[in-house]
Amino acid sequence: DIQMTQSPSPLSAFIGDRVTITCRASENIDIWMAWFQQKPGKSPKLLIYKASTLESGVPSRFSGSGSGTEFTLTISSLQPEDVATYYCLQYDSFSWAFGPGTKVELK
Amino acid sequence: QLQVQESGPGLVQPSETLSLTCTVSRGSISGNSYYWGWVRQPPGKGLEWIGGISYGGKAYYNSSLSGRVTISIDTSKNQFSLRLTSVTAADTALYFCFGSVFAWGQGTLVTVSS
Repeated sequence: DIQMTQSPSPLSAFIGDRVTITCRASENIDIWMAWFQQKPGKSPKLLIYKASTLESGVPSRFSGSGSGTEFTLTISSLQPEDVATYYCLQYDSFSWAFGPGTKVELK
Repeated sequence: QLQVQESGPGLVQPSETLSLTCTVSRGSISGNSYYWGWVRQPPGKGLEWIGGISYGGKAYYNSSLSGRVTISIDTSKNQFSLRLTSVTAADTALYFCFGSVFAWGQGTLVTVSS
């Protein structure tokens, strides 16, 4: 099974900061990476799919990059509404795996 | 845009079987190449993929669930289902159904307790 690691966690930053979260897969997953934002008690919200494609309606301050085994999610200018936990997901095969999550907090 | 919604009992007795249904709306469960399945989240913890069923009808499961899980699809009702047998308190979680990475239910809390 493919294993996912994610860093950092937690992440503390100021409003307006550029924030980067990294996710690593234990095997090559090409571009089959998605990023989700989750707030307490809510369902995961898709931000990015196929490593770098922005989901419709998601603010352009979110971006994704990477391929193979290393991927990043970047928030170009952190906003108060971005406080949440972020999860990466590999969906290279029909056996999915999530990263452990990165909790983003405000300084 | 395709939507999915979970339904089922919120309380299950230990050692019993947890059964949940996901209803697909604004689209056909069989008319596309979506991958349907379930994810869960124990209180205060991260997301765990439970399993899924492909458009070809083959099911895939998280090996950590040791053969306790079955996912099936009912195209006549536009629904798919989750069965998890021999539940314990460790199976208490918020359960989400999904349609590929694009469609997610609101989640349903299932508590395992006597």
